[in-house]
Amino acid sequence: QEQLVESGGGVVLPGRSLRLSCAASGFAFSTFGMHWVRQAPGKGLEWVATIWDDGTNQYYADSVQGRFTISRDNSQNTLYLQMTSLRAEDTAVYFCARLHKTTATIDYWGQGARVTVSS
Amino acid sequence: QSALTQPASVSGSPGQSITISCTGSSSDIGASNYVSWYQQHPGKAPQLVIYDVNTRPSGVSNRFSGSKSGSTASLTISGLQAEDEADYYCSSYTRSIPYVFGAGTKVTVL
Repeated sequence: QEQLVESGGGVVLPGRSLRLSCAASGFAFSTFGMHWVRQAPGKGLEWVATIWDDGTNQYYADSVQGRFTISRDNSQNTLYLQMTSLRAEDTAVYFCARLHKTTATIDYWGQGARVTVSS
Repeated sequence: QSALTQPASVSGSPGQSITISCTGSSSDIGASNYVSWYQQHPGKAPQLVIYDVNTRPSGVSNRFSGSKSGSTASLTISGLQAEDEADYYCSSYTRSIPYVFGAGTKVTVL
């Protein structure tokens, strides 16, 4: 059974950093592209970042470009999102999500990690 | 890249059919067959119910169906059931970013 479990969320001051982790199990993690998608309180979904299966390429939304870094450790079946220079507008639930093997859709999502940026 | 446009809410009685629209542009839905729909119950992770415009993942009820015409995609839920009450999001692959999502539609079963 495929499973994605996020951790590392919390309350952080504006301008500070936070790292989210996503532990994958039940599938061959190293063969799937992965994403982070976020959902601000009461709002819709927003794509944040993508990393290829081998980690060689990363893509970012304009809103986080230069502040967030997506990475992965295939030996540990873990996806990361390093967030720096956090802003109030980064407050959201952050979902780890898996790219479908053969088509451009997200087929599995984690339960999410809540990040609150507030002074 | 602007978010896709969905109605804020749609409601129906048990057993009825409802349709949720998702309007984009020639840069996303109009140019892509990678349109997906997700169901999200409160406090839960989204779950894929339709991908590639009209394909159901294994395990998803055949009461869910998808279609597309031009830059507008649609999700139809037939034989509406209480368990279908949830938020529904559409998404499309785009030329500029991997995914753009709709703002979500709250489905209420009366």
